[in-house]
Amino acid sequence: GDSVTQMEGPVTLSEEAFLTINCTYTATGYPSLFWYVQYPGEGLQLLLKATKADDKGSNKGFEATYRKETTSFHLEKGSVQVSDSAVYFCALDSGGGADGLTFGKGTHLIIQP
Amino acid sequence: GAVVSQHPSWVICKSGTSVKIECRSLDFQATTMFWYRQFPKQSLMLMATSNEGSKATYEQGVEKDKFLINHASLTLSTLTVTSAHPEDSSFYICSARGGGRVAEAFFGQGTRLTVV
Repeated sequence: GDSVTQMEGPVTLSEEAFLTINCTYTATGYPSLFWYVQYPGEGLQLLLKATKADDKGSNKGFEATYRKETTSFHLEKGSVQVSDSAVYFCALDSGGGADGLTFGKGTHLIIQP
Repeated sequence: GAVVSQHPSWVICKSGTSVKIECRSLDFQATTMFWYRQFPKQSLMLMATSNEGSKATYEQGVEKDKFLINHASLTLSTLTVTSAHPEDSSFYICSARGGGRVAEAFFGQGTRLTVV
């Protein structure tokens, strides 16, 4: 079955540091890939997505590129802020939207001033 | 983005009682709703998928008689945990999406259920 593996946290960085959160997947066919963010006390929000190989999703300074050859969708940001502290989930959809998403375990990111 | 409201945000109930969790799409019609369960430091696990007006499709290992899902309208789905036990204590999250092939799914804020 489908699965998503992402680095486990917590990941602690200083403000303005470079961020990478690794995500790899196994899936049948050609899934769509997502990064969701969950701020304390809130629901999951879509951060960015990519629907086909070599697509780059970007939002709020975050980027991730759909790499089919390495089955990866690593999340990056050049300069993190304290407000980026949250839990980040990598997810995939191999059912064309009809089925639920398959999530990774989430990575807790802590940014220190 | 669209708003999905989940209620209550937390609930404590006695063992053997039933608890109902509501999930509402506030500004769009949700043709499909999903219910997830999240254990501490684990990923969200899909429990069931429901389409408006039809029976929910449960994932393998999820007891349909214990977790009753109703999706009676395009804006409301409910999850009822029947005869709750301490092992049912968890974080339950709903998600809703409208029509279209790759329509985005929006998430509720989750419900923390504690069974004592």
